[in-house]
Order: sequence, then C-alpha cells, then structure tokens
Amino acid sequence: GPKVLQIPSHQIIDMGQMVTLNCDPVSNHLYFYWYKQILGQQMEFLVNFYNGKVMEKSKLFKDQFSVERPDGSYFTLKIQPTALEDSAVYFCASSSGLGYEQYFGPGTRLTVL
Amino acid sequence: QQKVQQSPESLSVPEGGMASLNCTSSDRNFQYFWWYRQHSGEGPKALMSIFSDGDKKEGRFTAHLNKASLHVSLHIRDSQPSDSALYFCAASEHDSGSWQLIFGSGTQLTVMP
Repeated sequence: GPKVLQIPSHQIIDMGQMVTLNCDPVSNHLYFYWYKQILGQQMEFLVNFYNGKVMEKSKLFKDQFSVERPDGSYFTLKIQPTALEDSAVYFCASSSGLGYEQYFGPGTRLTVL
Repeated sequence: QQKVQQSPESLSVPEGGMASLNCTSSDRNFQYFWWYRQHSGEGPKALMSIFSDGDKKEGRFTAHLNKASLHVSLHIRDSQPSDSALYFCAASEHDSGSWQLIFGSGTQLTVMP
C-alpha cells in the first residue's frame, strides 16, 4: 500500500541546537500532518499543511517549530532551538483530502540531551 | 480530561477468540471516529472509519458507533497472533472546520497462540 517515509529514524542532539525532521509523503497526497508521541502517552496533533500553508496547529506547535515543503520535496518539521521536552517520536502523515485516511510514517525518534 | 478515552488499557485473548475494544469521546463535537493499529516500530495504520450510527464490518473487524453516547467499539473476531498490536481510537470534529485527529491512549492487544 501507499507508504510514508521518514528520515532519519533516530536523531540525538544537544539542547539548543536546530533539528530538521524529513518526511516523504505518499505521492499525489496534498495534505500533510505532524504528530508527537511521548513514550507511553497518546499521539498528539501538532500541525497540518496544505498548498504551502499551515491550516491548523495545536498548542504544542510552539514558536520554535516550523514546517515547509519547498517545491514538492520533503515535508519538513524544523525545531529551532530544541528543548528537553521536545524529546519524543514524531510521526508524519499525509492524506489525499481532508477527512480522508491519514497514512503515517514509521516515525523519527528525537532525543534532546 | 482526555477528550478520547479508551478501555481497557491492555487485553489478552486466545487465538481464534473475540477481542472487544472500547472508546468514548467526552466532547460532543467529536462525531467522526477512526480505528488505527500500530505494530511495534511502525507508524499507525488505519483499520476503518465510522461516521454513522450502527455497525460497520470489514472482514474480521466490526466497528459500532452510538452517537448519542459518543461510544465506539471495535470487535475483532477469530483473532490472530498478527493482530497483536496497539490499537488507537481517533476522533475528529469536521463541522467546526477542524480536521485534526484526537487520539486516545490506546489498547495493547495480545493474541496468544
């Protein structure tokens, strides 16, 4: 079936550094999402993105977070600067339309030291 | 209070048995429900959606929605060891213009050979 890829699978960085998480969504999907899952807790919505713009974001999507998808390349989540509480698994998802099935990637485990 | 609550936290059933998972929304605005399954080390994968009252059957999986009580359940008949995974219920509003998925904390299902 359709697959979403995420690069890297693991990332370890020092607090205060910048990190970029990359997502290769399902081709021909137009809607993109980021979710955050802290170990042992539920997955939480961060942001969705369409046509080059953020459509909706949650309270977890801090000012240090940004998303973009330049020219159909990777859909990225950038955190600058990182904080200890940003340690989590970040899942990217894509869908062909709003309310349609969201296809998730395998996640990027981010550890902030 | 979490807007989407799942029970039980964990469930063990014998191979060939029936597994029943429950989900309740505390927010009447959340009327659209999804069931996702997540195997260890992978991203969640949608099993099925249910938006209308009543039952929806897809193979061995049956979802039931009661909008009045905001309760949705998932029943897996003839459970297989490969069904062992973390099952998430997710809800969304749509009507308010919000399309984010709100996830429950999950039910860990173990199917014993």
